[in-house]
This record gives sequence, C-alpha cells and structure tokens, in this order.
Amino acid sequence: DAKTTQPPSMDCAEGRAANLPCNHSTISGNEYVYWYRQIHSQGPQYIIHGLKNNETNEMASLIITEDRKSSTLILPHATLRDTAVYYCIVRVGDNYGQNFVFGPGTRLSVL
Amino acid sequence: DTGVSQNPRHKITKRGQNVTFRCDPISEHNRLYWYRQTLGQGPEFLTYFQNEAQLEKSRLLSDRFSAERPKGSFSTLEIQRTEQGDSAMYLCASSLAYGKSSYNSPLHFGNGTRLTVT
Repeated sequence: DAKTTQPPSMDCAEGRAANLPCNHSTISGNEYVYWYRQIHSQGPQYIIHGLKNNETNEMASLIITEDRKSSTLILPHATLRDTAVYYCIVRVGDNYGQNFVFGPGTRLSVL
Repeated sequence: DTGVSQNPRHKITKRGQNVTFRCDPISEHNRLYWYRQTLGQGPEFLTYFQNEAQLEKSRLLSDRFSAERPKGSFSTLEIQRTEQGDSAMYLCASSLAYGKSSYNSPLHFGNGTRLTVT
C-alpha cells in the first residue's frame, strides 16, 4: 500500500504557484520523499526528492515539515504544460522497487 | 536525449499470443525495473534487476511473465499466452546505485509500451 495521502485533484490558474500537498505521517527516519509527475501517455517524470531539508531545482521546490509528516511540492509559475498527475512517494533507503510504491496521485489541472 | 527507451510503443495482440517488449536503460545505470500501469491507477512494481541478476519479483508477475537482462544492459519482458487482463502500459525504469548513493538515487522511466489484448 502507498504510504502517502494526496488530494485526488486540484486546479491552478496559469501563472500562479501550484502547491501540491502530501501527507506521510508514518514516515521513518531513513525514508526519502520523491515527487514524480505523469502526463497522459508518457512515463512518470522525476521532479525532485528530499529527506528533511527543503530542496529546489529548476522544476520545483519541495518543502518538508520539521516533523517530516507532510510535504508540499511547489511549482512557482504553473503553465498549461504542468497539467498532469503528480505522485508523492515515500521510499525506504535502498533502491528496491517494492519500496517505490505509487498511489493514485493528484490530478493537477492548470487553467 | 539518452533517456530510457522502450520498444515498441504500442502492441496489439490476440488473446493467447506471446509478446515481448524491450527496454534500453540509461547507459551507465546498473538497476532496471519493470512496472505495469492500468488506466486510472499508479504504476505497480513487477520486477527489478541489479546488473544481470533479477533480485525481486512481485506477486503480480505470474508464471506467464518472464523478464531477462542477459548482459546487464537492455532487458526484455515476455508475456506468454496473453489474456485480456494483461492489457496495460508496461513501464521500464533505471537508476544508478552504488555505495551510499543507492539510498537516494531516483528512478528514471521510459514512456512505456501500451499493450492491448483483443
């Protein structure tokens, strides 16, 4: 079972920041938070990941709460091309695929 | 772009036929994964290789499914005696993992092979 909870859908106005929440209340100390997105008919695209510090790259920012029980993915200036399903995944330290479990994600519609 | 490549992109087959899909990972990546995705669901893990060794298999991987990675580079996924329930997108992913970097290296996915069994 997925270890994360995300809202099933969200809307965002083009040009505004999109803030996608994720709850991972059972996260443990060595578990990373990953974000992927999937545009229709394509494979999941890696966005960003973090352990406990906030992270930023050219695509997005990841804000992880101090207790690490939740996080927010921020797309600073959403465009129509950001319309996709966004997956938040909590993964145990090693690379075993069994521990990389996708939930249903959040369908973001940029309008 | 030297991302993960999957072929074919689409495959239509009749029930009972065998099909084979190919995945070429990012060249320096030593780990390779297969996932399956049905409509409206997130990807589900099927199996995973480190180099040529198949180290994990999901219960989803029935006896009709077999995956190989003979030289630790490309991989094939074969489905024998296909059933309509096998219709799905089959995704391949790869990652680079050695030492402590294995603890946080992300998976990079291909665009999948969409299988339709009629």
